[in-house]
Amino acid sequence: GPKVLQIPSHQIIDMGQMVTLNCDPVSNHLYFYWYKQILGQQMEFLVNFYNGKVMEKSKLFKDQFSVERPDGSYFTLKIQPTALEDSAVYFCASSLDRNTEVFFGKGTRLTVV
Amino acid sequence: GDSVTQTEGLVTLTEGLPVMLNCTYQSTYSPFLFWYVQHLNEAPKLLLKSFTDNKRPEHQGFHATLHKSSSSFHLQKSSAQLSDSALYYCALSGLNSGGSNYKLTFGKGTLLTVTP
Repeated sequence: GPKVLQIPSHQIIDMGQMVTLNCDPVSNHLYFYWYKQILGQQMEFLVNFYNGKVMEKSKLFKDQFSVERPDGSYFTLKIQPTALEDSAVYFCASSLDRNTEVFFGKGTRLTVV
Repeated sequence: GDSVTQTEGLVTLTEGLPVMLNCTYQSTYSPFLFWYVQHLNEAPKLLLKSFTDNKRPEHQGFHATLHKSSSSFHLQKSSAQLSDSALYYCALSGLNSGGSNYKLTFGKGTLLTVTP
């Protein structure tokens, strides 16, 4: 079936540095999402993105976070600067429409040291 | 705000026995409910979604019934298989999202292990 690809699967970064998480969504999908899962906790909504714009973001989406999808390429989540509490698994997801099935990637485990 | 509770973090069953994973929710409006399944080293994948007309969704032998009176959407299967071993997430999408995928609220997940 359709796949959302997240590269890399694990990334280690020094606190204060910038990190970009890459997501290759399903090719014809128009809606894109990021979710954050801290170890032992539930997946929590961060942001959704459509037509080049953020539609909605949660309180977890701090000012240090940004998303973009330049020229229909990767959908990215950038954190600048990173903090220790940003350590988590970040799941990217996409859907064709706002009411159709959401497809998730396997997640990128971000470790901030 | 919206919330989803999955009371069991870990469920271990013998193959062939029935499965029931609990899910209750709180939402200001009448939400859509979902079950997602995540097998080891795989992405979470949609298993079931509640219907607006109270039909019972079924997929791969699993079913769930939305009970608005008890705010529940328990996942059931009559006979567990070894391949059902996975992490199961209950989630909701509130009406303030237009029932859309804009913002899914997840439970913590239940790890189901089926043994021979």
